[in-house]
Amino acid sequence: GQQVMQIPQYQHVQEGEDFTTYCNSSTTLSNIQWYKQRPGGHPVFLIQLVKSGEVKKQKRLTFQFGEAKKNSSLHITATQTTDVGTYFCAGPGTFQGAQKLVFGQGTRLTINP
Amino acid sequence: DTGVSQDPRHKITKRGQNVTFRCDPISEHNRLYWYRQTLGQGPEFLTYFQNEAQLEKSRLLSDRFSAERPKGSFSTLEIQRTEQGDSAMYLCASSPMAGWIGYTFGSGTRLTVV
Repeated sequence: GQQVMQIPQYQHVQEGEDFTTYCNSSTTLSNIQWYKQRPGGHPVFLIQLVKSGEVKKQKRLTFQFGEAKKNSSLHITATQTTDVGTYFCAGPGTFQGAQKLVFGQGTRLTINP
Repeated sequence: DTGVSQDPRHKITKRGQNVTFRCDPISEHNRLYWYRQTLGQGPEFLTYFQNEAQLEKSRLLSDRFSAERPKGSFSTLEIQRTEQGDSAMYLCASSPMAGWIGYTFGSGTRLTVV
């Protein structure tokens, strides 16, 4: 079945350092979504990317969708303690548009203030 | 509407007992999903409703699991004869009918089977 893999599994940074997490799918995706889960919380939708090579920014967060639509990345510039949490990417269950999302295992970000 | 509501927030049950969880989605969202999340993992898909119809069910969902969404509003997830391996966070999410603009998750029900 379809797999979505994320690396690294964990990342610890000093406040102010940059952070990047990478997401790879075993199949081509029609779109990819990113979610953030704070410790003890539930996943919260951040963004959806649809087009090949698409880049979107949300303040210090930059999201990219690969040209082949099989990989994606999230980059945080100058991390702050509010960025702590686990970041998940997720893709539709089938290429043609699906009724479910397949989530990666997430990258847990911890920050030393 | 304040989002997706799940009840209870926590449930501790003895092995072999039945448990039922409830999810109230955002009222204008036609699609409702149940996911399960264990520590250190991403959410795993369990089942999906479009209005009242259960359209997809994961192979992870054994015969002990059943979900309903009567009248296309709230949904319930029942686990019969619970096992220790059922201990997890059960997340409900909803989304609008058209387009992919992300799920709205509820706060989840944390199940502990002792």
